[in-house]
Formats: sequence, C-alpha cells, structure tokens
Amino acid sequence: AQSVAQPEDQVNVAEGNPLTVKCTYSVSGNPYLFWYVQYPNRGLQFLLKYITGDNLVKGSYGFEAEFNKSQTSFHLKKPSALVSDSALYFCAVRDKGGYQKVTFGTGTKLQVIP
Amino acid sequence: DAGVIQSPRHEVTEMGQEVTLRCKPISGHNSLFWYRQTMMRGLELLIYFNNNVPIDDSGMPEDRFSAKMPNASFSTLKIQPSEPRDSAVYFCATAGIGATDTQYFGPGTRLTVL
Repeated sequence: AQSVAQPEDQVNVAEGNPLTVKCTYSVSGNPYLFWYVQYPNRGLQFLLKYITGDNLVKGSYGFEAEFNKSQTSFHLKKPSALVSDSALYFCAVRDKGGYQKVTFGTGTKLQVIP
Repeated sequence: DAGVIQSPRHEVTEMGQEVTLRCKPISGHNSLFWYRQTMMRGLELLIYFNNNVPIDDSGMPEDRFSAKMPNASFSTLKIQPSEPRDSAVYFCATAGIGATDTQYFGPGTRLTVL
C-alpha cells in the first residue's frame, strides 16, 4: 500500500521569507511524487513531479522540491514567499509498479503574511 | 485546450433526489478519476477508468453511487437517492496513457444536499 503524510495542517511564513511544506511517503517500490496546489473554489493544479534523476525538481511559480530517498521525503520549497502563494498544498505519491492510482496527502494550508 | 470540463459547477438539491455530475476529459487522455473532497475526509478517490473501463471502484461509498464512461469524451457520476452527507465538492481528473503522466483536475462540482 502507498501512503503520504503531511505533518503540518498549516504553515505560516512572512512574505519574502523562504518556505517549506513537508511531505513524507511510503511505497513498496520506487515512487513517483507530485505536488499540487489548490486555490479557494478551484480544482487542484499541478506544480511539479519527481520521476527519476536529479533529486531537486523545479516546478511552476518558482517552487521546487527535493526528493530524499533515505528519509522518504519530498518537501516543497520556495526561496521567497509571496502573498499570492497562500493556498492549500497537496503532496501525492504513486508506486511505479502500480496503475495510475495516486494517493494524496491531507493537505497543508500555507498562509503568507504580508 | 480547454482542460477538464465539469458540469454543473454548483448543484443544490433535496434529499432523495437523483444527482448527475458530468465530466469531459482532456482530448487524448485515457484515464479518468472521480474524487470527492470534504473538510472531514479530505480528498478521496471514488473510481478510476482506463480506456473507458472501470478499473478500481473500491472508493465508491455505497450502491447509491454509480459512474459510467460511455466513450472517451464523457463520464457521469450519479447519486440516487442523494443524502445530506453526500454534500461535498466532486472533482474529475484525467491523465494520459504514460506511466508518468500527471493528473489534471477539473474545477469541481459543489454539491449541496438539503
């Protein structure tokens, strides 16, 4: 079985400061890992994904994520937060050996304070 | 590309009524997913289709829920009869055939059952 944990329900960060949203995963094999963002009253939007190769993945809107196999983590990061980054962020995992079913975390609300 | 299209965007109905939610996938996408999002339970996968065939419906709550995909361009999720606890946002997501393909979400249907 595959699972994802997002240990923080909410993260608060001041505008201009770096941000990190944490994610750890569990799969039986090698993972595909994803980050999505959801703005109020909108569907989930794809930010970035890790498939293979470089552990640092760059995505949309200046976000990046680092895959750490030994710690089974895939934390989302951004060097300088914007107020417009305030949203709900979901980490997701898929087992490479399985079909396309993706397991989503419970989401982390990011609040960027002006 | 117009993205994933869902209709209606909002639905208010009374308990016991039949509700039909509709989804038009992105052209060329072979996989389609129905999700339900609530504050209490987060994002839940209800059913997954591949090439119009249901592959995994283990997330369908009960017999009141049914989903069809008669062709590659259209899917429905039906609730009959509806109950207040079905109130949620229902998302349709689609993905291409590749093993690493990303799921793209529609804007969702906000269902309120009175």
